[in-house]
Amino acid sequence: GQNIDQPTEMTATEGAIVQINCTYQTSGFNGLFWYQQHAGEAPTFLSYNVLDGLEEKGRFSSFLSRSKGYSYLLLKELQMKDSASYLCAVRDGLTGANNLFFGTGTRLTVIP
Amino acid sequence: NAGVTQTPKFRVLKTGQSMTLLCAQDMNHEYMYWYRQDPGMGLRLIHYSVGEGTTAKGEVPDGYNVSRLKKQNFLLGLESAAPSQTSVYFCASSTGRLAGTDTQYFGPGTRLTVL
Repeated sequence: GQNIDQPTEMTATEGAIVQINCTYQTSGFNGLFWYQQHAGEAPTFLSYNVLDGLEEKGRFSSFLSRSKGYSYLLLKELQMKDSASYLCAVRDGLTGANNLFFGTGTRLTVIP
Repeated sequence: NAGVTQTPKFRVLKTGQSMTLLCAQDMNHEYMYWYRQDPGMGLRLIHYSVGEGTTAKGEVPDGYNVSRLKKQNFLLGLESAAPSQTSVYFCASSTGRLAGTDTQYFGPGTRLTVL
């Protein structure tokens, strides 16, 4: 089975840096995804990690440690528009369609 | 490209009524998925399809049926709606390449309320 944990809520200040952690347990790990979801909208893809280390994409970076079952999403130079939920998802290669299993999401509020 | 579209956007049903949610994608994707999203539960997979004419059960399939008669469409049916099926339903699609950044693209969602 899969078990994915992330904090429920976080608050950070505009211009600051915030780190959202995700821990997971899965039998057929085949990649970890981060999605952003604004209230009332669809999730949109942010980043992907399958090997250990840091992937950087502009203001967003994501880190993976497979041995620890741990990932984080780092958001730099926070903007008000970054207020959203951030979903951690693990891809399970043992399922029929390489299915994604999602955490409950972290709601980030950026304050002035 | 419209990407992934869903109809309807909103719907209110009475207990016991039936309805079909339609998902369409114009990206020629092989794989399609139906999820439900509930507060505090995250996205949970209901059913999925790995190609035209195929369907399979996900984590929470009870009370739902699906069909994939055409590659671009994936239908989710509720035969006898129950209040526990009140949720936001998302459809998604992906290329089906079993490696790399085979991300799923999500539709805008259908907000369903069962009274």
